[in-house]
Amino acid sequence: GAGVSQSPRYKVAKRGQDVALRCDPISGHVSLFWYQQALGQGPEFLTYFQNEAQLDKSGLPSDRFFAERPEGSVSTLKIQRTQQEDSAVYLCASSLVGNQPQHFGDGTRLSIL
Amino acid sequence: GESVGLHLPTLSVQEGDNSIINCAYSNSASDYFIWYKQESGKGPQFIIDIRSNMDKRQGQRVTVLLNKTVKHLSLQIAATQPGDSAVYFCAENGGSGNTGKLIFGQGTTLQVKP
Repeated sequence: GAGVSQSPRYKVAKRGQDVALRCDPISGHVSLFWYQQALGQGPEFLTYFQNEAQLDKSGLPSDRFFAERPEGSVSTLKIQRTQQEDSAVYLCASSLVGNQPQHFGDGTRLSIL
Repeated sequence: GESVGLHLPTLSVQEGDNSIINCAYSNSASDYFIWYKQESGKGPQFIIDIRSNMDKRQGQRVTVLLNKTVKHLSLQIAATQPGDSAVYFCAENGGSGNTGKLIFGQGTTLQVKP
């Protein structure tokens, strides 16, 4: 399909394990965003890429969270030493450029046991 | 701090009626606003957007109104259908100098009764 693709859709991990979440944006989209959505809440911004450059990571909750987009296309969000409070849906969005409509994937639901 | 809020957490309407979902925003520097629809288990789906140089924008069955004086945003859905049942979020960009990251409200659940 032509939309934003995220994998895996569901991830269960034990506390302390590392996880990696993948995002395939819409082809040609320069801007890529990661958001975290807690149950019953709106998405909250984590980080932003323009091509391969991470221009804003002000929303990352701790240094356990790391994101990359090495070739300006696929992005990976990595969480090290997971904690129970990391349980949430992680959403990826892309847009042609900044301040244009962001198109979201269906997210990865992360559960930390 | 910055916040985008919705007046009503749940809105219940009869099929065929018009729906109005309201949103208040607090950052007067915001110049881009967007409405999303989110169904259970899915990501937010773009509905319509509006920039601060406009007061009104229409799409297919939807209209967004922006009142910058009172920092209020609304989404009107005409002839509401059962498929419109979902959670609706408004979002703002926090200012043109922003990277484009969005600040979301808490969401309004729209329930359409057949």
